[in-house]
Amino acid sequence: AQSVAQPEDQVNVAEGNPLTVKCTYSVSGNPYLFWYVQYPNRGLQFLLKYITGDNLVKGSYGFEAEFNKSQTSFHLKKPSALVSDSALYFCAVRDPNAGNNRKLIWGLGTSLAVNP
Amino acid sequence: GAGVSQSPRYKVAKRGQDVALRCDPISGHVSLFWYQQALGQGPEFLTYFQNEAQLDKSGLPSDRFFAERPEGSVSTLKIQRTQQEDSAVYLCASSLSAGTPNTIYFGEGSWLTVV
Repeated sequence: AQSVAQPEDQVNVAEGNPLTVKCTYSVSGNPYLFWYVQYPNRGLQFLLKYITGDNLVKGSYGFEAEFNKSQTSFHLKKPSALVSDSALYFCAVRDPNAGNNRKLIWGLGTSLAVNP
Repeated sequence: GAGVSQSPRYKVAKRGQDVALRCDPISGHVSLFWYQQALGQGPEFLTYFQNEAQLDKSGLPSDRFFAERPEGSVSTLKIQRTQQEDSAVYLCASSLSAGTPNTIYFGEGSWLTVV
């Protein structure tokens, strides 16, 4: 069965330090992987996705993520965190072999707190 | 419009009341999704449309939940005889086409509280 795990409920970093938000996945084939961010009382905003090609994907707001097939991971990273990055981050996966089923399978989210 | 638009943004319903939540996807987007997000949780899939066809409704939690997209654009999620456990944010999302892994864009959500 497809699944996504975000092992950390919360990540705390100091402003200016690098940040990593972890995600691992389980799908039967090659996955499509996504990161979304959710600010308080707001909807989900797309950050980046991995479909194929270069394992390092660059996205919005200076975020990037690295696809690692052997470790089945897709960790979100940013070299220098900002206080405004504080939000809830969701990793999601879609199985490209799932036919007409286009739904995403979501992790439970990781709350990122960037301290001034 | 520029993004996915949902209404109402906030709805308080008395238990047993019927509610209807509207989603206006990005113009031209073929695929439309409804998700339910409980407080502190990730989104849970409810249903998926490709144009006007409802291809997957496996996530609808009960027969009190009904979704439609009659003209392949605007969609409505209806919840009959609401119960307290229906309290959640209902997220609508759309993507350009069905055949490729296009980005899914979300609306701001409709926050439903059943009292």
